[in-house]
Amino acid sequence: DTAVSQTPKYLVTQMGNDKSIKCEQNLGHDTMYWYKQDSKKFLKIMFSYNNKELIINETVPNRFSPKSPDKAHLNLHINSLELGDSAVYFCASSQPMGLAGGQETQYFGPGTRLLVL
Amino acid sequence: AQSVTQLDSHVSVSEGTPVLLRCNYSSSYSPSLFWYVQHPNKGLQLLLKYTSAATLVKGINGFEAEFKKSETSFHLTKPSAHMSDAAEYFCVVSDLTGANNLFFGTGTRLTVIP
Repeated sequence: DTAVSQTPKYLVTQMGNDKSIKCEQNLGHDTMYWYKQDSKKFLKIMFSYNNKELIINETVPNRFSPKSPDKAHLNLHINSLELGDSAVYFCASSQPMGLAGGQETQYFGPGTRLLVL
Repeated sequence: AQSVTQLDSHVSVSEGTPVLLRCNYSSSYSPSLFWYVQHPNKGLQLLLKYTSAATLVKGINGFEAEFKKSETSFHLTKPSAHMSDAAEYFCVVSDLTGANNLFFGTGTRLTVIP
């Protein structure tokens, strides 16, 4: 039983293309996130969604757009892919902040390795 | 603002010897702190977390970390390294706002020598 799953695992595409990465969680969490891990392994938050509402949006180009059809899914759409978008993208989920009186643990998916040629 | 600094980008130990991965944090208030592990080509797995309860936190696979407010540190330790511990380890601090935002350190790569 995979808690947080992502598809595809690997994605190789040409510059300028539009692509999507899917994320699903079966933990019953209300909040989902997308992180980007660069070639130096540094992880940075991109988006989070709580009950289908965007609650944070870091300085991410508007070519990236999260789409949440329901609270179990948060897909990441990327338009006009650029070389610099090559990275590993991680999806995560958690309960909302404060539900258990403190910081809620985030559970991560296996990652999607995107290579833009 | 919250941030973490992982003092070593790479740590190498012999199998069976102790592991120490260092982390210092910066936070405007009492933070929540985590250690995550990433094995090669795998996702991130939570090792342990500190949320203002006991300062010595025990995690999975024999790892533990001690929160020291006076030193603003949250170092990760294990008494005896195993080959399967070889991985990238991330120290993480939360922002404790409604966004539940996590700030990751730059990671420490642990190598275990047979």
